[in-house]
Amino acid sequence: ETGVTQTPRHLVMGMTNKKSLKCEQHLGHNAMYWYKQSAKKPLELMFVYNFKEQTENNSVPSRFSPECPNSSHLFLHLHTLQPEDSALYLCASSQGGQGTDTQYFGPGTRLTVL
Amino acid sequence: GQNIDQPTEMTATEGAIVQINCTYQTSGFNGLFWYQQHAGEAPTFLSYNVLDGLEEKGRFSSFLSRSKGYSYLLLKELQMKDSASYLCAVLDSNYQLIWGAGTKLIIKP
Repeated sequence: ETGVTQTPRHLVMGMTNKKSLKCEQHLGHNAMYWYKQSAKKPLELMFVYNFKEQTENNSVPSRFSPECPNSSHLFLHLHTLQPEDSALYLCASSQGGQGTDTQYFGPGTRLTVL
Repeated sequence: GQNIDQPTEMTATEGAIVQINCTYQTSGFNGLFWYQQHAGEAPTFLSYNVLDGLEEKGRFSSFLSRSKGYSYLLLKELQMKDSASYLCAVLDSNYQLIWGAGTKLIIKP
């Protein structure tokens, strides 16, 4: 399944680094999402974009900065992260922003902050 | 607050049947999703229930009781490839998805 791709798959960074995660969807969807998945915890919704407009920001620290240049691409810019930010970052897309729409996920970026 | 409860881990035998339960307390209800996630891979959609009852899809079935705030995922004729985490998620009154922490299912030969 290559409907939603994410790069890189693994990332190790120091607390002073700046890096970006990339997500691309090939499904013709109009909504894209960033989630954080930590071990044994529920998925945490971070950001939602619907037709390139940010419609959700769940009190995410400013060291995470999303960018959605078009409906197919989504970025998550990272800077001055903390070790507790180490997690799997999942991108998802859906047809529209309706909650009943099925979300299709990418494989995630495993982030380790040293 | 909103809460989704599911067992952390379950073990079952190849060829058997297993039922993974999910109970929820949310502000409103607009449907319940089940997703499967193999280790290191993307969660993939299994089912969506919005009305009470059982929906069958091949070896997998999903049941919903809205009055009890309860759902289960039933997996029949278990195969080794069914070893994965199973995530329950509920759409609340604001159409926000509330996720459970997932149930890790281990299949033994």
